[in-house]
Amino acid sequence: GAVVSQHPSRVICKSGTSVKIECRSLDFQATTMFWYRQFPKQSLMLMATSNEGSKATYEQGVEKDKFLINHASLTLSTLTVTSAHPEDSSFYICSAMGNTGELFFGEGSRLTVL
Amino acid sequence: GIQVEQSPPDLILQEGANSTLRCNFSDSVNNLQWFHQNPWGQLINLFYIPSGTKQNGRLSATTVATERYSLLYISSSQTTDSGVYFCAVQTGTYKYIFGTGTRLKVLA
Repeated sequence: GAVVSQHPSRVICKSGTSVKIECRSLDFQATTMFWYRQFPKQSLMLMATSNEGSKATYEQGVEKDKFLINHASLTLSTLTVTSAHPEDSSFYICSAMGNTGELFFGEGSRLTVL
Repeated sequence: GIQVEQSPPDLILQEGANSTLRCNFSDSVNNLQWFHQNPWGQLINLFYIPSGTKQNGRLSATTVATERYSLLYISSSQTTDSGVYFCAVQTGTYKYIFGTGTRLKVLA
């Protein structure tokens, strides 16, 4: 299957700092990537859809100025959590859609804001 | 928006038992996938199954799109099958919406 790599897997930061998470499709080109957030013992919540070369489409209730998404190439999308606060602590997971429509996921990034 | 409900929410099995997990969705979908989330959070692709039946070893899945449900069958369960199983449906806007999940624990 296709491989999606997400980095870093764990990050701890101080309140007020910004954190960038990278998502790469290693062996295929992904015109569309999705970013999800998962709280403990809950399902995955879609945050935004990222399309290469255009602005991301955010889901209702997701602050686009807080969660900056950039999809600069067909293999890379980034999520930047700006001015992070403890309530932003969560598990963030990216996914890339192959040309068949199948979704492949990265390993996830666990963010802890102190 | 579309609602995706999974049942049962929790399931405990003895090793070797069989089980059926269900995914119901409230509207027409383009695609459907089943995933297994392991204890480290990694989502493993199980099936890409917009319709019909597929089998992979001890696992099989059936999607009846016209009746808006999909089933995941696990036979001869093993402790390594433990984790959370999610279905995800792709809507007309290409977004994938996740179901509520089934938390499975297989006891040795």
